[in-house]
Amino acid sequence: GAVVSQHPSRVICKSGTSVKIECRSLDFQATTMFWYRQFPKQSLMLMATSNEGSKATYEQGVEKDKFLINHASLTLSTLTVTSAHPEDSSFYICSARGPENIQYFGAGTRLSVL
Amino acid sequence: GENVEQHPSTLSVQEGDSAVIKCTYSDSASNYFPWYKQELGKRPQLIIDIRSNVGEKKDQRIAVTLNKTAKHFSLHITETQPEDSAVYFCAATANQAGTALIFGKGTTLSVSS
Repeated sequence: GAVVSQHPSRVICKSGTSVKIECRSLDFQATTMFWYRQFPKQSLMLMATSNEGSKATYEQGVEKDKFLINHASLTLSTLTVTSAHPEDSSFYICSARGPENIQYFGAGTRLSVL
Repeated sequence: GENVEQHPSTLSVQEGDSAVIKCTYSDSASNYFPWYKQELGKRPQLIIDIRSNVGEKKDQRIAVTLNKTAKHFSLHITETQPEDSAVYFCAATANQAGTALIFGKGTTLSVSS
């Protein structure tokens, strides 16, 4: 079936550094990808919609200057958490709409900011 | 925008019993309703989905029902097994290009043997 690859799976960084997370659709093209954030024991909250070749659409309350999204090709979207702080520690998951309009998820990235 | 409510938040059953999780949605434009199973620290896995042109779908021990008029859909798991223990999320979307899945808050299912 369709596969979405997400890297890295785990990041531990110091406060103030920036972290880049990659999301790739391996066997299909995705003009749109989605970024979610999940806190422990909570649901997946949509952060933004990544659009190939254009600006991302951010959900209310999500700082676009904090969470930079780039979707430069039909198979790759990146999320950069800039100047990360401990409150940014979370599980970040991307998804892409694949064959038969089913959304496939990446394996997620667990970010821990010290 | 879409809002999805999910109940219950936790559900404990004995092995072999049935489990039912219910969701409601607000946007009448939504036409695709998937259910995901998520184990701790892992990605959500699609277990079953239903589109608005059908009222029920079944796959072995799992079934989903949809009532478009009332805007609610339910997941039914029969003959539960310990390996069914996980967090289950319902979601809804208009499933057009550019529209994201909106998730319910999740149900933690515990199946004891």
